[in-house]
Amino acid sequence: QKEVEQDPGPLSVPEGAIVSLNCTYSNSAFQYFMWYRQYSRKGPELLMYTYSSGNKEDGRFTAQVDKSSKYISLFIRDSQPSDSATYLCAMMASSASKIIFGSGTRLSIRP
Amino acid sequence: GAVVSQHPSWVICKSGTSVKIECRSLDFQATTMFWYRQFPKQSLMLMATSNEGSKATYEQGVEKDKFLINHASLTLSTLTVTSAHPEDSSFYICSARSGQAPLQEKLFFGSGTQLSVL
Repeated sequence: QKEVEQDPGPLSVPEGAIVSLNCTYSNSAFQYFMWYRQYSRKGPELLMYTYSSGNKEDGRFTAQVDKSSKYISLFIRDSQPSDSATYLCAMMASSASKIIFGSGTRLSIRP
Repeated sequence: GAVVSQHPSWVICKSGTSVKIECRSLDFQATTMFWYRQFPKQSLMLMATSNEGSKATYEQGVEKDKFLINHASLTLSTLTVTSAHPEDSSFYICSARSGQAPLQEKLFFGSGTQLSVL
């Protein structure tokens, strides 16, 4: 079993829809959770960063962490075609430990 | 967010030659830098971790004599692919972590380098 599981998609939704992206994990020691967005042939860009459980909102993006269920989510409201990209979840146990990435979900927003 | 600059963004070389890729943290000091490899439609594969002034730690299966990593300063790390072969063709991405507030544990990525070996 992988430490981090993420549905690779592809996920296709119409413009304006709410998108829900998810990851599950098995290591209860993970405390830092991140979401990255990666456009084709570009490096990943840090979108959201959360520590421990709870919600965090930044503009159209909301990150949720449920440590009891070992489940994290990224919600995108009012999705735009420019949101079409691969979204990678990532997590680590401490600030000095290795970051473990999910396999990424390919998202396509249809105009 | 912090900026990590990676050059070149694209390189073509002949089989048997060496290629150097540079990764610079522009507005913070990177105590740790990471090098990843990514195949089309696949996730990031960590190749090695380097701390400034010390030898890189390579992941299992990565040839350290083939992928030379140098982290000579707090703002620069280089990856040299030696005696490149067509199977080394891939997208290589560096990332950097500050270790100091306010950036601390956050990881910032370069824009990647597409290597094509003929």
